[in-house]
Amino acid sequence: EAQVTQNPRYLITVTGKKLTVTCSQNMNHEYMSWYRQDPGLGLRQIYYSMNVEVTDKGDVPEGYKVSRKEKRNFPLILESPSPNQTSLYFCASSFGANYGYTFGSGTRLTVV
Amino acid sequence: ILNVEQSPQSLHVQEGDSTNFTCSFPSSNFYALHWYRWETAKSPEALFVMTLNGDEKKKGRISATLNTKEGYSYLYIKGSQPEDSATYLCAFRMDSSYKLIFGSGTRLLVRP
Repeated sequence: EAQVTQNPRYLITVTGKKLTVTCSQNMNHEYMSWYRQDPGLGLRQIYYSMNVEVTDKGDVPEGYKVSRKEKRNFPLILESPSPNQTSLYFCASSFGANYGYTFGSGTRLTVV
Repeated sequence: ILNVEQSPQSLHVQEGDSTNFTCSFPSSNFYALHWYRWETAKSPEALFVMTLNGDEKKKGRISATLNTKEGYSYLYIKGSQPEDSATYLCAFRMDSSYKLIFGSGTRLLVRP
């Protein structure tokens, strides 16, 4: 089944403890992206990747890192999480700009 | 910062009513306009990707139109059903960027 798989689905962590949210797609998509969703705000883009080893900042990149060493994987790294990074995170992928995105199931992160 | 506006924010209709909502986006440097359907506790799912002025797309009872010169797109639902209840998101891409900028969505509730 064609899908984007995110893990974990839920995570509660403490301030400053490094964490990684994994994202993997099995559709051979070139384009991958991370978004966060907060109440009252639209999906805001954190980082995106046009292909292996090619990444760029979205609108809210502060406090996050990404890497794209393989086409299928695009992990999101929070080196030192803070409470303002408590949010619902989505990974998405697509063949390109003229194609709709396939979204993962989401990761609900709470930083205390 | 580019702005994508959706209206109304929320909409309650009776089963069988037809309805429509609006997405407004910058009219310059247009590349593509996406529509997504997002049900509660699920991930957004792509409905349409439109790239040409005057584009019309249809999927069952849902259709969309695009006016890139004036910077708006309409989403129509004919004969709404309770299963149409969801948040409908639009997203805009400029030609100079790989960023996809989402609106805050229109939340539709269809009463049986």
